[in-house]
Amino acid sequence: DAKTTQPNSMESNEEEPVHLPCNHSTISGTDYIHWYRQLPSQGPEYVIHGLTSNVNNRMASLAIAEDRKSSTLILHRATLRDAAVYYCILRDEGEGTNAGKSTFGDGTTLTVKP
Amino acid sequence: DTEVTQTPKHLVMGMTNKKSLKCEQHMGHRAMYWYKQKAKKPPELMFVYSYEKLSINESVPSRFSPECPNSSLLNLHLHALQPEDSALYLCASSQADGPGYTGELFFGEGSRLTVL
Repeated sequence: DAKTTQPNSMESNEEEPVHLPCNHSTISGTDYIHWYRQLPSQGPEYVIHGLTSNVNNRMASLAIAEDRKSSTLILHRATLRDAAVYYCILRDEGEGTNAGKSTFGDGTTLTVKP
Repeated sequence: DTEVTQTPKHLVMGMTNKKSLKCEQHMGHRAMYWYKQKAKKPPELMFVYSYEKLSINESVPSRFSPECPNSSLLNLHLHALQPEDSALYLCASSQADGPGYTGELFFGEGSRLTVL
């Protein structure tokens, strides 16, 4: 299964942008790149996902490298509520035997300082 | 309604007990998932159901028995568990598109299981 690698932790100041990196050098053609975040005692919450092109939504932006072997989640203005564990996930959305599998990385713990 | 509801939120059971975890969604999703999460670790996939049929079993011990009685419900039956099975059990759902899967995963808040 394809794996993702993320830094264990990152810090940011409130209202500053945050760039969370993820490496996924063994990504396959049917893998979508998903990002989720998880607060203590809660289930993971969807943030954003993409296949090849950069993506924007109300929560964040996702920048995907041209070779798809890495991606970066961008929070444009971090708030205290953004403090969480952020997971970069490869999700097989093809039709083969691995269809439906989502491989979680170890996650990055984001601390936001006021 | 964009919620995945899991019950119970907390469960304590002995190693000889039989119990079940329940998961429900009303988003019309035809793919449902069970994940296991140990403390300070990422979720690990256990089972995937597509159109009420088991499509992925990640070599999970038989003391965990999943069931998908209809498109809105997913159960996880527990029997003869070990203390190391204590964890947060997360249910998720997503759209399915024929044999493929699309879009985001919607997670419930989980059932915290303690095995004594």
